[in-house]
Amino acid sequence: QQQVKQSPQSLIVQKGGISIINCAYENTAFDYFPWYQQFPGKGPALLIAIRPDVSEKKEGRFTISFNKSAKQFSLHIMDSQPGDSATYFCAARRSGGYQKVTFGTGTKLQVIP
Amino acid sequence: GAVVSQHPSRVICKSGTSVKIECRSLDFQATTMFWYRQFPKKSLMLMATSNEGSKATYEQGVEKDKFLINHASLTLSTLTVTSAHPEDSSFYICSARDFPTGETQYFGPGTRLLVL
Repeated sequence: QQQVKQSPQSLIVQKGGISIINCAYENTAFDYFPWYQQFPGKGPALLIAIRPDVSEKKEGRFTISFNKSAKQFSLHIMDSQPGDSATYFCAARRSGGYQKVTFGTGTKLQVIP
Repeated sequence: GAVVSQHPSRVICKSGTSVKIECRSLDFQATTMFWYRQFPKKSLMLMATSNEGSKATYEQGVEKDKFLINHASLTLSTLTVTSAHPEDSSFYICSARDFPTGETQYFGPGTRLLVL
């Protein structure tokens, strides 16, 4: 059962453009939604995260939009750069217990000059 | 930011041998660490949750006798792949949650295991 659905699977964006990655979830027990960036052969690195009581969070060129009623959230990368080329994972953390994190399927982003 | 290290970064072993992977939180204490497995071009799959001073909690379908986890201190968790076989070849990644707030999971750089 895929608890966090992510799309698209891959994305090609021109330098300076906006990259948009979408995620959807079903479990209302999730209370924290991070996005991770992963380069080949490396571990994921936290990019930005949001809680469901906030509809938008911006950090530099990265913005998360969150729609609690629709159970959807998205990552927007403004002014995309070739150095942003990586795989991006959305995730959702369950409240209580060990607060396990469930990852989306990943989006491979390629920013072309 | 908080740093999590893994050792070794890469290991090649013969089928039937056991391999130990270490995960350390370098500048913070971690009561809870997580072990993930990632296949090429795939997402991270949680294998188990490691808790300092207690038994690990394994996800459904993960063999606890195959993947032994020990969390002996607040800064170290180990994953031992016992009697490794080629199908165990994968990228193993650990993460640690900082104590006491536990808001963020910090990931290690991963360990590439190749079983011949």
